[in-house]
Amino acid sequence: QVQLQQSGPGLVKPSQTLSLTCAISGDSVSSNSAAWNWIRQSPSRGLEWLGRTYYRSKWYNDYAVSVKSRITINPDTSKNQFSLQLNSVTPEDTAVYYCARNPPSGIAVKSFDYWGQGTLVTVSS
Amino acid sequence: DIQLTQSPSFLSASVGDRVTITCRASQGISSYLAWYQQKPGKAPKLLIYAVSILQSGVPSRFSGSGSGTEFTLTISSLQPEDFATYYCQQLNNYPPTFGQGTKLEIK
Repeated sequence: QVQLQQSGPGLVKPSQTLSLTCAISGDSVSSNSAAWNWIRQSPSRGLEWLGRTYYRSKWYNDYAVSVKSRITINPDTSKNQFSLQLNSVTPEDTAVYYCARNPPSGIAVKSFDYWGQGTLVTVSS
Repeated sequence: DIQLTQSPSFLSASVGDRVTITCRASQGISSYLAWYQQKPGKAPKLLIYAVSILQSGVPSRFSGSGSGTEFTLTISSLQPEDFATYYCQQLNNYPPTFGQGTKLEIK
């Protein structure tokens, strides 16, 4: 059974960096077929995909255009986890942030089958 | 980006009712459509992927259909635990996008 456990602060000051971590159990961040995503949800923007990291003989990242200049998603193979960093945050980045997996095989790869518990991040001074 | 529009946005129904939620895409998305259920304070839960394939453990009263740009989620006989918000999601083209949600409430 795959489990994703999120950690990180719930309050970030404007202009600072939002940092969250997603620890994986039951699968590997270095899987050659799964992918590891960050998604956020807010009343104003709904569910918004932010980006992903995945390993296919080497590491790849994809990012949403809306945050591409501010986002970094990194794998940490020693701890079997991946992280989200979002720089220069504003109150518009206030949201519940989720990590989620694209499953490793078949047509289901086009969905998100396991999710973290969610972290409410508020951007405020 | 592909836009997904769900209808209705709110739906009031009773236990035992049959309900249908529609998801329309701004362009064709082949068979890469999924449905999720979300309850307050919880992460979305995958119900259906590839239009009509039930995720393991999902009750058979849930079903999905459609093709091209129009898709539906049907719950054949509502149970008390089905009252939640439902989202569609496409991944035919990057980035993945979600519908705005349909909140299913008890009448």
